[in-house]
Amino acid sequence: AQSVTQPDIHITVSEGASLELRCNYSYGATPYLFWYVQSPGQGLQLLLKYFSGDTLVQGIKGFEAEFKRSQSSFNLRKPSVHWSDAAEYFCAVGTSGTYKYIFGTGTRLKVLA
Amino acid sequence: DAGVTQSPTHLIKTRGQQVTLRCSPKSGHDTVSWYQQALGQGPQFIFQYYEEEERQRGNFPDRFSGHQFPNYSSELNVNALLLGDSALYLCASSLETDIQYFGAGTRLSVL
Repeated sequence: AQSVTQPDIHITVSEGASLELRCNYSYGATPYLFWYVQSPGQGLQLLLKYFSGDTLVQGIKGFEAEFKRSQSSFNLRKPSVHWSDAAEYFCAVGTSGTYKYIFGTGTRLKVLA
Repeated sequence: DAGVTQSPTHLIKTRGQQVTLRCSPKSGHDTVSWYQQALGQGPQFIFQYYEEEERQRGNFPDRFSGHQFPNYSSELNVNALLLGDSALYLCASSLETDIQYFGAGTRLSVL
């Protein structure tokens, strides 16, 4: 069965520091992978996606993610965090021909001034 | 270009009541998916509608039902509300099975 694990429930970083949010998935074939961000009281905004091709994908707001098939991972990174990045981040997996996304439980990011 | 819009924003109901939530997809999208996001959890897939038919369903009871209209908008109905149905309900639209774009959600509180 498909599943997504986000091992870190909470992460705190200082403004200007680098960030890496972890995501591991379980699926037999190559999945479609997504990172979404959710600000308090808001819906989900797509940060980036991986379908195929280059395993390093660039997204909005300066975020990037790297697909590593051998590790079943799709970690999200940002070289320098801004206070406005404080939010909850969700990793999701979908598969070709499927109609649903499976989400992780999320990582809440706190940014210290 | 309006994105995915959901109404109402907030809703308070009591146990046993019925509720209807509404979703208008992003322009050009023909597919609507519904998700339930309980507090502190990730969204969980309820079902998806395409061409006015339920195409796939997640692990939710029959109390949860839906509808898609010819203009692609959709409704989510929940009957016999339970306290555990309190959650943020998210609608996502897509062009068939392409990327899903989410609305801001409807916060349902069941008292």
